[in-house]
Amino acid sequence: DGGITQSPKYLFRKEGQNVTLSCEQNLNHDAMYWYRQDPGQGLRLIYYSQIVNDFQKGDIAEGYSVSREKKESFPLTVTSAQKNPTAFYLCAVRTGGADGYTFGSGTRLTVV
Amino acid sequence: ILNVEQSPQSLHVQEGDSTNFTCSFPSSNFYALHWYRWETAKSPEALFVMTLNGDEKKKGRISATLNTKEGYSYLYIKGSQPEDSATYLCASHSGYSTLTFGKGTMLLVSP
Repeated sequence: DGGITQSPKYLFRKEGQNVTLSCEQNLNHDAMYWYRQDPGQGLRLIYYSQIVNDFQKGDIAEGYSVSREKKESFPLTVTSAQKNPTAFYLCAVRTGGADGYTFGSGTRLTVV
Repeated sequence: ILNVEQSPQSLHVQEGDSTNFTCSFPSSNFYALHWYRWETAKSPEALFVMTLNGDEKKKGRISATLNTKEGYSYLYIKGSQPEDSATYLCASHSGYSTLTFGKGTMLLVSP
């Protein structure tokens, strides 16, 4: 979607497992973001990266980890320390100016 | 953390009705206000990015206004159509902070 690919679309995780959500972009922009959406809540920021090899915690980073080894890729790992991981996860790229952010199509993670 | 509030939470109108939603945000250190449209099973799509007090932007039947001094923005849809049914998100930056999103207004337009 708009140059951002998130995979998989649906993911099921057993309790105690780590899982990694993929976000790849071909928009050639530096800043990338991971958001989480829960019913009745706004999008909440998990982690963001302004440039390769650098990233910062967002508002709800506990139980998550990220890496930014390449400009195109910003994977999010949901660790076993995340107590309530069932949610919809969106990746975004800041395309800047009047374009705002461009979002991927999301991954729905369910703990079984 | 900024507190961005949107109202109403949901809205159901008939085709042809005009409607509007409100987004309120902290006015101190304001940088930019974004509006997004999020249809079910699709990605959020940017509608407007607004920065200047008094700014008005328009895209087809959708327009938005911005008051940075009092901390609010209105989104208007003229002559709503069923394809306008979506959740409308607003989000605000403050200084060098990241975007903070409101919970959205869910619009349903019935034929």
